[in-house]
Amino acid sequence: EIVLTQSPGTLSLSPGERATLSCRASQSVRRNYLAWYQQKPGQAPRPLIYGASSRAPGVPDRFSGSGSGTDFTLTVISLEPEDFALYYCQQYASPPATFGQGTKVEVK
Amino acid sequence: EVQLLESGGGLTQPGGSLRLSCAASGFTFSSYGMSWVRHAPGKKLEWVSTISDSGAKTFYADSVTGRFTISRDNSGNTLYLHLNSLRAEDTAIYYCAKSSRFHNPGDYFPFDYWGLGTLVTVSS
Repeated sequence: EIVLTQSPGTLSLSPGERATLSCRASQSVRRNYLAWYQQKPGQAPRPLIYGASSRAPGVPDRFSGSGSGTDFTLTVISLEPEDFALYYCQQYASPPATFGQGTKVEVK
Repeated sequence: EVQLLESGGGLTQPGGSLRLSCAASGFTFSSYGMSWVRHAPGKKLEWVSTISDSGAKTFYADSVTGRFTISRDNSGNTLYLHLNSLRAEDTAIYYCAKSSRFHNPGDYFPFDYWGLGTLVTVSS
């Protein structure tokens, strides 16, 4: 199975700063079938990005996804207070679908 | 508004059984594949099982094959997960999730809606 490794584990930033989250795959993710999800305490995970770079409906354009092959990035251009949360990547190109361990974006 | 509401979790002993339910609303349930994903303490999110829109096709993670059974009731808009022969390592929050069909109509991934989850604890 494809193992996803997210880095860093925790990102300490201030509102207005840029966040760059990494997701590295143990083997190439075909067709860039990689998604990003956001989860806040007590809430269900929410999709942000599909297909490595397509924003899910309703997601603000300060969120962007990029990358291909084995290296993917989620960028938040300017953090809003509501963006401090946990972020997970998921590959769904090769069964079983697998997830990264998550990156926590916290207020510095 | 799409809503997914899981129930049925609880405390059970090793070797025990549970049935999880996920009540769906706000979309045409019978048109979408559905999945269960779990999150054990200190572990990664783990895909558990997927069922096709009609229920004709089912898929399982190796870790639960032969012990868990996914099913659905399209007339009642409910997804189920039957958990048997439970082990301590099955302790987790169990989420149901809806296929987005973002890339192709027949795809099961990625997900566009998740429930809040139900906690399963397996302990003696």
